Amino acid sequence: QLQLQESGPGLVKPSETLSLTCTVSGGSMSSRYYYWGWIRQPPGKGLEWIGSIYYSGSTYYNPSLKSRVTISVDTSKNEFSLKLSSVTAADTAVYYCARQGVAARRLQAFDIWGQGTMVTVSS
Amino acid sequence: EIVLTQSPGTLSLSPGERATLSCRASQSVSSSYLAWYQQKLGQAPRLLIYGASNRATGIPDRFSGSGSGTDFTLTISRLEPEDFAVYYCQQYGSSPLTFGGGTKVEIK
Repeated sequence: QLQLQESGPGLVKPSETLSLTCTVSGGSMSSRYYYWGWIRQPPGKGLEWIGSIYYSGSTYYNPSLKSRVTISVDTSKNEFSLKLSSVTAADTAVYYCARQGVAARRLQAFDIWGQGTMVTVSS
Repeated sequence: EIVLTQSPGTLSLSPGERATLSCRASQSVSSSYLAWYQQKLGQAPRLLIYGASNRATGIPDRFSGSGSGTDFTLTISRLEPEDFAVYYCQQYGSSPLTFGGGTKVEIK
C-alpha cells in the first residue's frame, strides 16, 4: 500500500527558505503514470496547489509561487522535495504531498495524500 | 486562472438526509476535469470523485458527482455520521490547478 510522509522543520524564520521532503513507501516513484505534488493549507483556510513533479524531473508550478518554489526528485531515495524561498507569515500552513495521475500529458486528481506537516513562519 | 466558487458555505443537515453541494467555475472546465475531496478535522483530504462523476476506489455509492462545463454538483444521497466534514472541489483541466473554498456539512 503506497504511503507518503512529509518531513522537515516545523518552524522557519521570515526571509529564510522552507525545505520539506516527501518520502514515498510501498511503491516506486518511477512510474510513467504519476506526478507527485505539493499542496498547502493555511490554518482555517482552503487548499492551494504549489506544484508537481514527474520522476524524470519535469515540473509544473503555480505561477503565484513560481518565483520562489523549487521542487526536485530523487528516485534513488524514492523521495521528492520542496523548497520555498523568502518566506513570510503568509506561508504558514499545513503542507501536504500527494500523488496525482497523468494521462495524455494532463495532470489528474490527487488520489493519495500524506498526513501533512505544519510549518510556521516566525522569528 | 479558473476560480471555483462553492455553495453553500455551510450545510446543516441531519443523518439520513440528502446533501447537495455546488461548485461553479469561472470558465469551462476542460474535459470535466473536476474532482471532489472530503476533509475531516486534522486529516488530509480524501479523493471522492474524479472526472466529475467517477467514484474513487473504495468510495461508497451514496456519493455521486455530476455536471459539466461550469456547473458541478456533489450529492450525498443519505448522510451517515462519518460524512460530516468539509468538501472541496478542484479543477485540473488547466494550470494552475485550483480548489474551491469548501462547503462544511455539519450536523443539524
